[in-house]
Amino acid sequence: EDQVTQSPEALRLQEGESSSLNCSYTVSGLRGLFWYRQDPGKGPEFLFTLYSAGEEKEKERLKATLTKKESFLHITAPKPEDSATYLCALGGDSSYKLIFGSGTRLLVRP
Amino acid sequence: NAGVTQTPKFQVLKTGQSMTLQCAQDMNHNSMYWYRQDPGMGLRLIYYSASEGTTDKGEVPNGYNVSRLNKREFSLRLESAAPSQTSVYFCASSEWPGGTDTQYFGPGTRLTVL
Repeated sequence: EDQVTQSPEALRLQEGESSSLNCSYTVSGLRGLFWYRQDPGKGPEFLFTLYSAGEEKEKERLKATLTKKESFLHITAPKPEDSATYLCALGGDSSYKLIFGSGTRLLVRP
Repeated sequence: NAGVTQTPKFQVLKTGQSMTLQCAQDMNHNSMYWYRQDPGMGLRLIYYSASEGTTDKGEVPNGYNVSRLNKREFSLRLESAAPSQTSVYFCASSEWPGGTDTQYFGPGTRLTVL
């Protein structure tokens, strides 16, 4: 059965303090690993899709990486506006549905 | 280009009442989805539609019905609302099939059932 687990559940950082969010997964065949950002009271906003181990994608202070078992969302020198919940979602080749993790709530303090 | 829109934004129902949540997308996407989001449980798929005229059950379909009215619109109906259906409901769409399966989400409907 395809599964995805995110850790930690919550993370508090000082402005400028870099860190990483983890998304562990098991899947029979990977179709894609998706990262989203969700602000309070809003819908998830698409960030990245990773398709194969070794792939990396960057956007401003965010960098997503992928191995055969995990994906990391690295946040470099975060700012308070990076505070949000970050969701990862797994797409397996047995179905075109996505399986979402429960998210990591990130708070960046000035 | 509004993306995915949902109405209403907020709704309060009494147990047993019915209502329809509306969703529309203007990206010419083929697939549309309905999710619910509850604290600590992540996003769970209720129903999806891979094309106009087709719908399939997701993870938590009980108590819901859907209609893919045309390529743009996908509605979710609660026939007899229950307190367990208090949640935030999100509609999403993707190009798949015939394109990427990246899903784009609407702003959500916050539903409370008393």
